[in-house]
Amino acid sequence: DAKTTQPPSMDCAEGRAANLPCNHSTISGNEYVYWYRQIHSQGPQYIIHGLKNNETNEMASLIITEDRKSSTLILPHATLRDTAVYYCIVRVVTDKLIFGTGTRLQVFP
Amino acid sequence: EAGVTQFPSHSVIEKGQTVTLRCDPISGHDNLYWYRRVMGKEIKFLLHFVKESKQDESGMPNNRFLAERTGGTYSTLKVQPAELEDSGVYFCASSKGRRGEKQYFGPGTRLTVT
Repeated sequence: DAKTTQPPSMDCAEGRAANLPCNHSTISGNEYVYWYRQIHSQGPQYIIHGLKNNETNEMASLIITEDRKSSTLILPHATLRDTAVYYCIVRVVTDKLIFGTGTRLQVFP
Repeated sequence: EAGVTQFPSHSVIEKGQTVTLRCDPISGHDNLYWYRRVMGKEIKFLLHFVKESKQDESGMPNNRFLAERTGGTYSTLKVQPAELEDSGVYFCASSKGRRGEKQYFGPGTRLTVT
């Protein structure tokens, strides 16, 4: 079973920041937090990952709380093409990804 | 750099028939994974290859499914005989050798069993 909890859906206006929360209260010390997204029926796309420090790349920023029990994915300037299902995943030692139901983000004009 | 490719993109077969799905990982990626999503459910892990060896096959649903990765390059997933509940989208992903590395997914194969 997935070790994360996410809201089922969120809306965001185009050009605004999208902040997607994730709870992972049972995360272990050596487990990473990964974010993927799936646009329509395409294959999941990697976004970002982190262990305990905040991370930023060209796609997004990841903010992890100090106790590591929750995190937030930030898309700084959402576009219509960011409409997708976003998955927060805690990476288990065996390397497989365990997907939950994710958050369906709808970006509107 | 070419991404993960999967063939075919769609397959429609009758119950009881056999289907073979193929995945070509990114060149140089030792890790290859199979996942699937059936009937609107969550994406589920099937198995993980490291080169030609099966590292974890805990997600394989039953012995009707056979995965191979001869030579540690491309992989095939055979379903024989196919059942209605096997319908869904089958994804392949690959990653480099280092543990914890991100996985790159292919576009998937949509399998419909009628």
